[in-house]
Amino acid sequence: DARVTQTPRHKVTEMGQEVTMRCQPILGHNTVFWYRQTMMQGLELLAYFRNRAPLDDSGMPKDRFSAEMPDATLATLKIQPSEPRDSAVYFCASGPGSIGRAIYEQYFGPGTRLTVT
Amino acid sequence: RKEVEQDPGPFNVPEGATVAFNCTYSNSASQSFFWYRQDCRKEPKLLMSVYSSGNEDGRFTAQLNRASQYISLLIRDSKLSDSATYLCVVNNRGDSSYKLIFGSGTRLLVRP
Repeated sequence: DARVTQTPRHKVTEMGQEVTMRCQPILGHNTVFWYRQTMMQGLELLAYFRNRAPLDDSGMPKDRFSAEMPDATLATLKIQPSEPRDSAVYFCASGPGSIGRAIYEQYFGPGTRLTVT
Repeated sequence: RKEVEQDPGPFNVPEGATVAFNCTYSNSASQSFFWYRQDCRKEPKLLMSVYSSGNEDGRFTAQLNRASQYISLLIRDSKLSDSATYLCVVNNRGDSSYKLIFGSGTRLLVRP
């Protein structure tokens, strides 16, 4: 049963520290998405990639957030420096991104629950 | 106006009931539609895609009305395990086309 995996599942850190979240997309998927979810804002798209190339990061605060895909099996989201308002659940999702009916489907990982104190 | 609008609920129904959710979308160029389910403190999970002809998966039926720009989800014979938030999701043609637009969700509570 193919799944998106994310690490860590929980992270508590102090303001100003660097946070790195990792995601392993489903093997064979060529689109990868980073979302943030809070009670107030709901699900927000931060950035996404296709074939490892960044396509859109307009939802991401550029001064402190960065997203990369060093290879096809790893996507990372970094926050430096972290702030209390970054506290949220961060989800990674991957999708087939290829022709056919399933082209736009996305499958989510379990998320990283981040708390910045 | 939000791109995807849903009644937040909660819909509180007894086991065995039939319940329907509607969702409206603002972009007439939208081309792909989905329902996701999200349990408390869990990730969204794809429930079903919504096709122009409508589609059914067991107790779940999804319908698309392009003229009125709304999508519906019907759940028959509700189970306690159906309690969750149901997210209506839309993909827009030509607008960074792999992006999905998520509604805020409709909460369903199924009681014994």
